Amino acid sequence: KAGVTQTPRYLIKTRGQQVTLSCSPISGHRSVSWYQQTPGQGLQFLFEYFSETQRNKGNFPGRFSGRQFSNSRSEMNVSTLELGDSALYLCASSLFGSGIAGGPYNEQFFGPGTRLTVL
Amino acid sequence: QKEVEQNSGPLSVPEGAIASLNCTYSDRGSQSFFWYRQYSGKSPELIMFIYSNGDKEDGRFTAQLNKASQYVSLLIRDSQPSDSATYLCAVETAGGTSYGKLTFGQGTILTVHP
Repeated sequence: KAGVTQTPRYLIKTRGQQVTLSCSPISGHRSVSWYQQTPGQGLQFLFEYFSETQRNKGNFPGRFSGRQFSNSRSEMNVSTLELGDSALYLCASSLFGSGIAGGPYNEQFFGPGTRLTVL
Repeated sequence: QKEVEQNSGPLSVPEGAIASLNCTYSDRGSQSFFWYRQYSGKSPELIMFIYSNGDKEDGRFTAQLNKASQYVSLLIRDSQPSDSATYLCAVETAGGTSYGKLTFGQGTILTVHP
C-alpha cells in the first residue's frame, strides 16, 4: 500500500512570492491535515480537509490556504512569503480524521514533507 | 502551561536498557494519544496509538495511559542504537472543533549508545 506522497520535496523561494505544495494521501483515506514544523515552534497544525471541505483551521494568517480535490489529494498555498515561513511542511492522511471519540480511525500517517526555504 | 509537555531531554540510555519517555497534557477532553518517532531530516513515523487507560504493548514498545493523571508514557525495552531519534507525543481532542488536529509536544531526543 503506497504511503503519503508530497511534492515537491524541496523549494527555495524569495520573499513576496507564493508557493503551492501538493499532498496525495494513502488510498482510501479521506482526511488530510497539514502541519508546519520549525525548530522553534515544533509541529503546528495548519488545517484539515475532508471530502473537499475545510473542517478545521489552526492559528495561521490568511496567507496560508488550502483545498482538497474529489480524489482526496490536497494542496496548500502560501502567498506573500515571509522569511519566517521557512519550515518543513508536512501533510498527514487518515481515514476519517478525528471526531470519532476513541475510535481506531484517528491515526495520522505523515508524508515525507516539503522543505521550504524563503530567502 | 503548554497543552502537551514532554520530559526534557536529551535522554541517553545504554544499549539494552529501558528508555522511558513521558508526556502530560492539559485538556481533559483529550481522547486519543499517539507516539511518533522522527529521525533527523525525516518525517514523523507513527509507532504507537492508545485511547484506553492502561497499557498497550507492541513488540519492544509499551504505551501507558492514565487519563485521571493526564499522563501518557512510552517505554522502549531492549533499546537499540537504531532507536536514537526524537520522540513526539501527540494528543487529539474529540469533537467538532478538533477535526484532524493533533497537538504535539516539543519532543524528546533519545540517544542509545552502544
